[in-house]
Amino acid sequence: DAGVIQSPRHEVTEMGQEVTLRCKPISGHNSLFWYRQTMMRGLELLIYFNNNVPIDDSGMPEDRFSAKMPNASFSTLKIQPSEPRDSAVYFCASSRGTPEAFFGQGTRLTVV
Amino acid sequence: DQQVKQNSPSLSVQEGRISILNCDYTNSMFDYFLWYKKYPAEGPTFLISISSIKDKNEDGRFTVFLNKSAKHLSLHIVPSQPGDSAVYFCAASPSGTGTASKLTFGTGTRLQVTL
Repeated sequence: DAGVIQSPRHEVTEMGQEVTLRCKPISGHNSLFWYRQTMMRGLELLIYFNNNVPIDDSGMPEDRFSAKMPNASFSTLKIQPSEPRDSAVYFCASSRGTPEAFFGQGTRLTVV
Repeated sequence: DQQVKQNSPSLSVQEGRISILNCDYTNSMFDYFLWYKKYPAEGPTFLISISSIKDKNEDGRFTVFLNKSAKHLSLHIVPSQPGDSAVYFCAASPSGTGTASKLTFGTGTRLQVTL
């Protein structure tokens, strides 16, 4: 079991650029979550999918953020255009329809 | 509006002693609670959970207690080991077991187990 796989592990980009974060959930898991961790706000849910369908995106900060799940084994979180305040660690998590979610190692995003 | 609160940002405990981490919540809709452990540069790892129909759940050295009337839960680690040194997050869900849903996390407590 490879666990939840996120890429890249680290991303440094300039303000205004597009950033795409990628996630491969655990095989057989039908729920996928994107979280963001910052010093100010801690761990907060951005969006989650059940069976590839977005269920709750109320945590997405603004229209610059978008997430897709084209199939059961892949999801992306895109920020366009990126801003320095988007700097954070972004986690992807998956679960088999239970509250116990398994997290990836995260992507540390720095926007300069 | 912090719906899940961990008021102690850090805790230091001697090896072999009991570690007690506390968590309070305000939202009455929460009925499933979880603890996660996080090491630096890694994602949170699920540790133990408890449904609101129970007041205690035990798994090896880890026990979670839930006091619904006080909206309070705690994680006990006995005996504490140096490898337990990590940040512990309390999380709450409005759905019971068998349903995936959004988790609301506390701000975390950094536990250091000293020799």
